[in-house]
Amino acid sequence: GAGVSQTPSNKVTEKGKYVELRCDPISGHTALYWYRQSLGQGPEFLIYFQGTGAADDSGLPNDRFFAVRPEGSVSTLKIQRTERGDSAVYLCASSFDRGQGYTFGSGTRLTVV
Amino acid sequence: GQQVMQIPQYQHVQEGEDFTTYCNSSTTLSNIQWYKQRPGGHPVFLIQLVKSGEVKKQKRLTFQFGEAKKNSSLHITATQTTDVGTYFCAARASGGFKTIFGAGTRLFVKA
Repeated sequence: GAGVSQTPSNKVTEKGKYVELRCDPISGHTALYWYRQSLGQGPEFLIYFQGTGAADDSGLPNDRFFAVRPEGSVSTLKIQRTERGDSAVYLCASSFDRGQGYTFGSGTRLTVV
Repeated sequence: GQQVMQIPQYQHVQEGEDFTTYCNSSTTLSNIQWYKQRPGGHPVFLIQLVKSGEVKKQKRLTFQFGEAKKNSSLHITATQTTDVGTYFCAARASGGFKTIFGAGTRLFVKA
């Protein structure tokens, strides 16, 4: 596609529920990143994929968070047993390779009530 | 762990005045990137610096990478109202994979 697409754009869920956030990167971009951003803060690194593999998942806060990229294109960020503190904008970005600038999607605003 | 400090946190300027934001790291960086995020929007890539002492210009924007590759700056000459937004530096440590963002400098421009 022309840009990075993230769905849904907004997600409201109840505490304790499971959510999946999807990212469709720019075609041909091998590197894919997930960040989350709270109001007034910079994007916080979660995980980086090179192809299908997670090259660096050191930013995932705990084992409730998991991400996959099975075919090296679309990625899904999965959050189990959501907590109110998980509320944030989850941003996905892609780049041609890890040495290039990132193109961000518009994000998914997650609200846990 | 790797941290990137960015100052100031925010700045108010009169249209036509200059603006500078600074980014500092305690570790040597592989590269540094700059992004702009408009209110309600997502970060948009501006530029990447890789070489020690590198200086790049984009119209009224001047980007510098320090000689020691531990700091960087973004300078805007003669700000315009369209420059409003938050400017983030983002850096990758030498040998690392992840890019860490600073907290950003929010620029307000008064017409």
